[in-house]
Amino acid sequence: DVKVTQSSRYLVKRTGEKVFLECVQDMDHENMFWYRQDPGLGLRLIYFSYDVKMKEKGDIPEGYSVSREKKERFSLILESASTNQTSMYLCASSLRGVLSYEQYFGPGTRLTVT
Amino acid sequence: AQSVTQLDSQVPVFEEAPVELRCNYSSSVSVYLFWYVQYPNQGLQLLLKYLSGSTLVKGINGFEAEFNKSQTSFHLRKPSVHISDTAEYFCAVSVREKETSGSRLTFGEGTQLTVNP
Repeated sequence: DVKVTQSSRYLVKRTGEKVFLECVQDMDHENMFWYRQDPGLGLRLIYFSYDVKMKEKGDIPEGYSVSREKKERFSLILESASTNQTSMYLCASSLRGVLSYEQYFGPGTRLTVT
Repeated sequence: AQSVTQLDSQVPVFEEAPVELRCNYSSSVSVYLFWYVQYPNQGLQLLLKYLSGSTLVKGINGFEAEFNKSQTSFHLRKPSVHISDTAEYFCAVSVREKETSGSRLTFGEGTQLTVNP
């Protein structure tokens, strides 16, 4: 079974702090994604990556950056956390090509910025 | 660009009753359609998918969905729900591409299904 793990389930940070959210997958998937989930808004794509060192902006990239130095690891970075970034963050991975639609999700990190 | 609308944000039902969760999409090209489920305090998992072929697709846990191209809908159904079906359900769409290194999913807003005893 594909396993996607996220470094923390719950995180509390202060406004202005730099925040790192880590995601690791163990199935050699080429594609990795970061979403945020907010009530009534569903999942919104922040960034995704099709390969090591490659990244593409999703629908809401402002205030975020990402890093993918190794195939199995995809990091989301909040350069200067703000209260409006309080949310649930979900990481996902998928294969490349025709099977790329099936994404496997981690359990999520609930981030609170105070 | 494609979009997904889930018509009900909350659906409360009694155990053993039938349920339908509604999903409409908009896209100018052919799409793949999915339902994902999120149980409390967990990530999302794939419930079922429509890629091509039969418009009625069956998924895990007794759920099924019907693709209706003329109505641009992909409603999820279960004839008899259990308490354990209580979860949030997300409809998603992915645009078919000839060659792709990765497919983006566009999600709906989610529907909270609550099954009461």
